[in-house]
Amino acid sequence: DGGITQSPKYLFRKEGQNVTLSCEQNLNHDAMYWYRQDPGQGLRLIYYSQIVNDFQKGDIAEGYSVSREKKESFPLTVTSAQKNPTAFYLCASKLDGRGFTEAFFGQGTRLTVV
Amino acid sequence: AQSVTQPDIHITVSEGASLELRCNYSYGATPYLFWYVQSPGQGLQLLLKYFSGDTLVQGIKGFEAEFKRSQSSFNLRKPSVHWSDAAEYFCAVGTGGSARQLTFGSGTQLTVLP
Repeated sequence: DGGITQSPKYLFRKEGQNVTLSCEQNLNHDAMYWYRQDPGQGLRLIYYSQIVNDFQKGDIAEGYSVSREKKESFPLTVTSAQKNPTAFYLCASKLDGRGFTEAFFGQGTRLTVV
Repeated sequence: AQSVTQPDIHITVSEGASLELRCNYSYGATPYLFWYVQSPGQGLQLLLKYFSGDTLVQGIKGFEAEFKRSQSSFNLRKPSVHWSDAAEYFCAVGTGGSARQLTFGSGTQLTVLP
């Protein structure tokens, strides 16, 4: 089955640590996205990538980093510079960057700082 | 820049009652409009989308939405709600040709009473 796989489902991070969230898709989509979800705030865009080896900052990129070395993979690293990383993180992909193409979502990773 | 407003943070309806979730957008041209549903701890699933043509669109699970250009609205409706419809609902607008231009509302949480 085609889809988007995020791992792990739950992740715990100690203060000062970097952690990496995995996102893999087998839909052959060009565009991939990372969103952060906090209660009552909807989805906020962290980073997005339209093509391999290229990515752009979203609205809340500070404290995060990404890479896009392969079309199917778009990992997100939450660095120690992110002061409030506890949140639900969603990865999404689209066939391309055009406005009318729908986004497909993974099941999310819940990150908790302990 | 485009924006999406979902004025109802939380709605409660009885099972079997009708449902309408409101969505208003701000964008200078014709937008591409989407409704997504999210069950607790899960990713988002597309319910329906509007690109052009007939302003009343049908989606999955018995949902429909009507695009009203004059009111900048794209309200989601269902004639008879089932207990399994309890979830959070997000309206989104996609614009232009840039991959980043997919903006989500803050969501409406639906509770269904038996």
